[in-house]
Amino acid sequence: DQQVKQNSPSLSVQEGRISILNCDYTNSMFDYFLWYKKYPAEGPTFLISISSIKDKNEDGRFTVFLNKSAKHLSLHIVPSQPGDSAVYFCAAEETSGSRLTFGEGTQLTVNP
Amino acid sequence: GAGVSQSPRYKVAKRGQDVALRCDPISGHVSLFWYQQALGQGPEFLTYFQNEAQLDKSGLPSDRFFAERPEGSVSTLKIQRTQQEDSAVYLCASSFGQAYGYTFGSGTRLTVV
Repeated sequence: DQQVKQNSPSLSVQEGRISILNCDYTNSMFDYFLWYKKYPAEGPTFLISISSIKDKNEDGRFTVFLNKSAKHLSLHIVPSQPGDSAVYFCAAEETSGSRLTFGEGTQLTVNP
Repeated sequence: GAGVSQSPRYKVAKRGQDVALRCDPISGHVSLFWYQQALGQGPEFLTYFQNEAQLDKSGLPSDRFFAERPEGSVSTLKIQRTQQEDSAVYLCASSFGQAYGYTFGSGTRLTVV
């Protein structure tokens, strides 16, 4: 069963506009969530994270929102830049766990 | 080195051949993970080490997969009698510990023909 799901395989946005990437999870034991960015032929690079005790975390152009009751999180990028074009993975971790559970990824394309 | 280093970057193996994939973690990182990423999918957990101890190997898909980290630094993922379904990118990640985030290597792309 897919415990972390990213239902949009791709997203295309105009430069300067907002990009919103969504992620849903089913495991209520997850309490730490991360977003990773991946360029072709490279490993995933950590972007931003959020603990379940928060509902928002902001870092520059990147903001992650967490809705625990809906088991949903989203990553907002504003303003979007062409260099943001990459695959974005949502990942989740249990407090007592030692592994990350990843979603399938969303390919973001930011058009100049 | 500054990052997690994996070798080889690419490996083509004939079905039935044994392969060994190497991971050099960031110096001092206690935790080391292996993930398998199939085409178009997210990475999936294989196994986890804390120093030299393999604490979780529940993600290894079969007994053909074996991982070791004998001195608590470099790790090797070995796949015996490779099958076509083993074709994937194998990612290694290391960390100081659970709360400190994970740094991934660039991966080894294994193609079994």
